[in-house]
Amino acid sequence: AQSVTQLDSHVSVSEGTPVLLRCNYSSSYSPSLFWYVQHPNKGLQLLLKYTSAATLVKGINGFEAEFKKSETSFHLTKPSAHMSDAAEYFCVVSPNTGGFKTIFGAGTRLFVKA
Amino acid sequence: DTGVSQDPRHKITKRGQNVTFRCDPISEHNRLYWYRQTLGQGPEFLTYFQNEAQLEKSRLLSDRFSAERPKGSFSTLEIQRTEQGDSAMYLCASREGGYTGELFFGEGSRLTVL
Repeated sequence: AQSVTQLDSHVSVSEGTPVLLRCNYSSSYSPSLFWYVQHPNKGLQLLLKYTSAATLVKGINGFEAEFKKSETSFHLTKPSAHMSDAAEYFCVVSPNTGGFKTIFGAGTRLFVKA
Repeated sequence: DTGVSQDPRHKITKRGQNVTFRCDPISEHNRLYWYRQTLGQGPEFLTYFQNEAQLEKSRLLSDRFSAERPKGSFSTLEIQRTEQGDSAMYLCASREGGYTGELFFGEGSRLTVL
């Protein structure tokens, strides 16, 4: 069985300050992990993915995430928030072997204040 | 190829009516997923196809829901005897190859049951 927990439903930061969106996962198998972003009234877009290569993964728009197996975490970070980063962010887990479900977390809404 | 397309984009129906949604995945993608997303929630897995075979169904998919993917190309999701609780955004996604690949999402089909 697998699951994903996003620890914050809402995060608010000021423009130019760092962003941290937290994600913990549980998986019976070695997982692939993803972060997707959803802007209002837009489709889901891939930010980055981890697939058992480098544990620090760089994505689009300056985002990156670090896979920590010992902590079962895959937190998303960005050094400096921009107004255009305001959106809903989803952490996603997909099994590498066995099972077919690709599971989404409940989402974290990021607010960026001017 | 312009990506995953879904039709209709919006559907308003009365309780008890049947509705059908269509998804056309990216042509070379053999894996197809349906998700349901309600306001403020992450996408919930409904079902998964590999080519024409439906390999997994969520318990969320009651017997009023049926999905098909004839010939392994487009897919349909039918909801019979709709209920107000079925109101949601129905998302289709496709993926090439294995579980580590990016899911490409359509814009979704929004269902409103009156």
